[in-house]
Amino acid sequence: EAQVTQNPRYLITVTGKKLTVTCSQNMNHEYMSWYRQDPGLGLRQIYYSMNVEVTDKGDVPEGYKVSRKEKRNFPLILESPSPNQTSLYFCASSIKRGQDYEQYFGPGTRLTVT
Amino acid sequence: LAKTTQPISMDSYEGQEVNITCSHNNIATNDYITWYQQFPSQGPRFIIQGYKTKVTNEVASLFIPADRKSSTLSLPRVSLSDTAVYYCLVGGSGTYKYIFGTGTRLKVLA
Repeated sequence: EAQVTQNPRYLITVTGKKLTVTCSQNMNHEYMSWYRQDPGLGLRQIYYSMNVEVTDKGDVPEGYKVSRKEKRNFPLILESPSPNQTSLYFCASSIKRGQDYEQYFGPGTRLTVT
Repeated sequence: LAKTTQPISMDSYEGQEVNITCSHNNIATNDYITWYQQFPSQGPRFIIQGYKTKVTNEVASLFIPADRKSSTLSLPRVSLSDTAVYYCLVGGSGTYKYIFGTGTRLKVLA
């Protein structure tokens, strides 16, 4: 089954404790992205990757890192989490549809930083 | 990047046609318009995409006027299961950078 998987689905952690949220897709998509979703703010793009070893900042990259060492995986790293990073995080991978992309989203990771 | 503006919420009744309009005044020449649907606790799901005029698929239609500064998602004969948040997204143009708006919360009533 074609899908985007994220782990963990739920995480409660403390300020300053490094964490990684994994994202994996089995559709051989080149393009991947991370979003965070907060009440009243919709979805905001954190980082995106257009291919292996090619990453770039989205709208809200501060406090996050990513890596793209292989096509299927795009982990999101929080080196020193803070309470304002408490949010619902979505990973997406994309296929080119005409001149634009169709994004396939993962199930989400709910992160709480205390 | 083109910013989008949508109504915050809409209510409708089962069996009615629902039209949700999105404004994107500074859309770029090569930008496409895409709509996503999101249910609670799930990731958004692609509905439809278009560049100009009208696009129709099995679940929705997308109307785009000649100036492309707005677009309208049309959902025919909605059911309770169409209750969700609908996002309009403008992008493409050779970049993978996107800005989602705050979405329109559609509530379908029995």
